[in-house]
Amino acid sequence: KAGVTQTPRYLIKTRGQQVTLSCSPISGHRSVSWYQQTPGQGLQFLFEYFSETQRNKGNFPGRFSGRQFSNSRSEMNVSTLELGDSALYLCASSLGDTTTEAFFGQGTRLTVV
Amino acid sequence: GENVEQHPSTLSVQEGDSAVIKCTYSDSASNYFPWYKQELGKRPQLIIDIRSNVGEKKDQRIAVTLNKTAKHFSLHITETQPEDSAVYFCAASWTGTASKLTFGTGTRLQVTL
Repeated sequence: KAGVTQTPRYLIKTRGQQVTLSCSPISGHRSVSWYQQTPGQGLQFLFEYFSETQRNKGNFPGRFSGRQFSNSRSEMNVSTLELGDSALYLCASSLGDTTTEAFFGQGTRLTVV
Repeated sequence: GENVEQHPSTLSVQEGDSAVIKCTYSDSASNYFPWYKQELGKRPQLIIDIRSNVGEKKDQRIAVTLNKTAKHFSLHITETQPEDSAVYFCAASWTGTASKLTFGTGTRLQVTL
């Protein structure tokens, strides 16, 4: 079956702009989690959506937001981009219960200039 | 919130030797502990996980041990091979699911011939 798909793979944006990233989970998975990966901070949890509702949230500012659609696809939005937002953004999908693992997408590499 | 410390940050072993990576966590409520392998430019992939009701789990050359009292867990790789070279991340979750993971800072493992 198809894996987790993230689009686009690469993005270059200017400070102050906003950006939307997309994640299509594995078919049947209802949970999508988003992570930011940087060399300095490692992998940090942004938020999780389960059945169209935000179920968990990390410690990121309100500029980072997300949503999930009825087909479980999720989008993440970052407004008023800052240079420090440059990172690899990874999403992970799972069934969202206590029995299964999370599968990661290839990520979107965002560069803010 | 949860904090996960991981050591060492880099590890170099000769092919055929064993490698051990250690992690400690702060939240005694954590109950799910996965390990991910990330090769350069690729997505993190789950290699093994353990839940808090189990002390040890093994899968071929890979094993994970969990000490709930001391709040630490370790990854053991035996008979290392060059293809084991990658960055390894430990993670912890108190939700019991793979949906909200707190990651360690990663260990770069280099297996030399």
